[in-house]
Amino acid sequence: EAQVTQNPRYLITVTGKKLTVTCSQNMNHEYMSWYRQDPGLGLRQIYYSMNVEVTDKGDVPEGYKVSRKEKRNFPLILESPSPNQTSLYFCASSAIRGPMNTEAFFGQGTRLTVV
Amino acid sequence: AQTVTQSQPEMSVQEAETVTLSCTYDTSESNYYLFWYKQPPSRQMILVIRQEAYKQQNATENRFSVNFQKAAKSFSLKISDSQLGDTAMYFCALTYNQGGKLIFGQGTELSVKP
Repeated sequence: EAQVTQNPRYLITVTGKKLTVTCSQNMNHEYMSWYRQDPGLGLRQIYYSMNVEVTDKGDVPEGYKVSRKEKRNFPLILESPSPNQTSLYFCASSAIRGPMNTEAFFGQGTRLTVV
Repeated sequence: AQTVTQSQPEMSVQEAETVTLSCTYDTSESNYYLFWYKQPPSRQMILVIRQEAYKQQNATENRFSVNFQKAAKSFSLKISDSQLGDTAMYFCALTYNQGGKLIFGQGTELSVKP
């Protein structure tokens, strides 16, 4: 079954304690990205990756890091989480064919609370 | 800059009725796709329907259809014969030829009442 798997689904942490949210896809997609969802703002892109070892900032990258050492995995790292990073996070992947991408597949979401 | 605007934060509809969700967008790109995503309480993002900008014909998927007005940069979603399972947050989204980035609207929370 084609899927994007995110873990954990829920996470409560304290300010400053490093954490990693994992994301894995089994569709051999080139493009992967992270979004955060906040009320009234929709989803905004944090970071994205066009392929292995190729990553770039999205619209709201401050306070986040990513890596893409393997094609299937794209972890999101919060080195020193702060309360304003409390949000719902989604990982997504898609294939790149020609000038336009195809449908994006989303993970189940991670609800992060930083206290 | 590319933007997507959903001006209706909340809407409600009676079961079996028809409802239309509004979306406007702005882009300078000539080639782009538009999407509607559904997010039920489970939080899963589910693709409802997509529209390719170069296609004049409005997309339809069963009870879901769009009214794509390219000149007006409008992309509304019509849900016919609304069902209780349609209760969800709906997001309008845009992607263009820089790759897989999706630009989302603020979302419309739809409640279908029995």
